[in-house]
Amino acid sequence: SQQGEEDPQALSIQEGENATMNCSYKTSINNLQWYRQNSGRGLVHLILIRSNEREKHSGRLRVTLDTSKKSSSLLITASRAADTASYFCATDSYTGGFKTIFGAGTRLFVKA
Amino acid sequence: DTEVTQTPKHLVMGMTNKKSLKCEQHMGHRAMYWYKQKAKKPPELMFVYSYEKLSINESVPSRFSPECPNSSLLNLHLHALQPEDSALYLCASSPIERGGRGETQYFGPGTRLLVL
Repeated sequence: SQQGEEDPQALSIQEGENATMNCSYKTSINNLQWYRQNSGRGLVHLILIRSNEREKHSGRLRVTLDTSKKSSSLLITASRAADTASYFCATDSYTGGFKTIFGAGTRLFVKA
Repeated sequence: DTEVTQTPKHLVMGMTNKKSLKCEQHMGHRAMYWYKQKAKKPPELMFVYSYEKLSINESVPSRFSPECPNSSLLNLHLHALQPEDSALYLCASSPIERGGRGETQYFGPGTRLLVL
């Protein structure tokens, strides 16, 4: 079952614009992570935010977490054509073992 | 070395074949994972190993059999698969943090499996 739901499912923007993707989840989490995947390849980790954190930055990436609303957002500023990829949120919870559930993902297209 | 390697990259097998997927990491991570990903879908967790012991099995059919022979290696043995098992199989590893908060997972490039 997929806990994280993401919107939009697809996003098309011009190079230089900002891209915002949202993720919602249903149960309590220990942390939430964002990953990028280029065209059917392995996933690349972008950023991890703990359940007691509200905002985190890494380069052009900004992630927020609202545990009261069970939602997170990923902002990519000044997008580049190379940012074209699928972006997934993934929630981690501990239930006898580390369990990671991925959201449906947002497919981002950045036009040059 | 911050890489997770997977072999083979591609695999075509018949429904009566037996094959194995291999995953290796040398980052000292003690948690390793298998995921299955269908086209245009998110990865779905199959198995988790913690300290070389199976800790999570997400109700995966027995035709998939995981094995963790040591802390660096993870195998997935395949037998009598169905065409609907065709997918990208991803391996990942992560450190285990005290308190079980979960840590960053490092993914391999995947094995693209086609079952005929």
